[in-house]
Amino acid sequence: AQSVTQLGSHVSVSEGALVLLRCNYSSSVPPYLFWYVQYPNQGLQLLLKYTTGATLVKGINGFEAEFKKSETSFHLTKPSAHMSDAAEYFCALNDYKLSFGAGTTVTVRA
Amino acid sequence: GAGVSQTPSNKVTEKGKYVELRCDPISGHTALYWYRQSLGQGPEFLIYFQGTGAADDSGLPNDRFFAVRPEGSVSTLKIQRTERGDSAVYLCASSLDAANEQFFGPGTRLTVL
Repeated sequence: AQSVTQLGSHVSVSEGALVLLRCNYSSSVPPYLFWYVQYPNQGLQLLLKYTTGATLVKGINGFEAEFKKSETSFHLTKPSAHMSDAAEYFCALNDYKLSFGAGTTVTVRA
Repeated sequence: GAGVSQTPSNKVTEKGKYVELRCDPISGHTALYWYRQSLGQGPEFLIYFQGTGAADDSGLPNDRFFAVRPEGSVSTLKIQRTERGDSAVYLCASSLDAANEQFFGPGTRLTVL
């Protein structure tokens, strides 16, 4: 069975600090992995995706993620947090249907 | 261009009533998905349509839930004899096909009193 685990339901960072959101997956086949962001009262928006090829993936709004097969991880990072990054973030695994983690809520302190 | 739209945005109903939730996908997208997101959780898959047919309905929780897509575009999720546990945000997504990125609508927040 395919599954995704997000470590930490809440992350609080200072403006300008590193953002690190952790995601581990379990898959019997080479995974397609995604990060989505959900702002309050809005739909899910794709941040970035890994399918094949380069393991370091760059997305929108300065986010990037690295696929590490040996660690079954796909952690999301952003070097410098901005107030507008406050949202909920979901890691997901795609097997034509998406399997989502429970989500991590990010708050940014001024 | 227009994204995925869902109506209504909010629906409040009483236990035991019947509800219909509508999804308008992006034009030309053949794949359509329904997910359910309960408070504090990630979205959970309900059903996937490829064209007019339900290719995978393994996520529907029971036979009170049913979805249709008669012309391969708009889809309706139907819930009979609603229960308080059905309260959640119901998300719709569409994609060009199953191998491509899914685009999500804003969701319908269903509250069963």
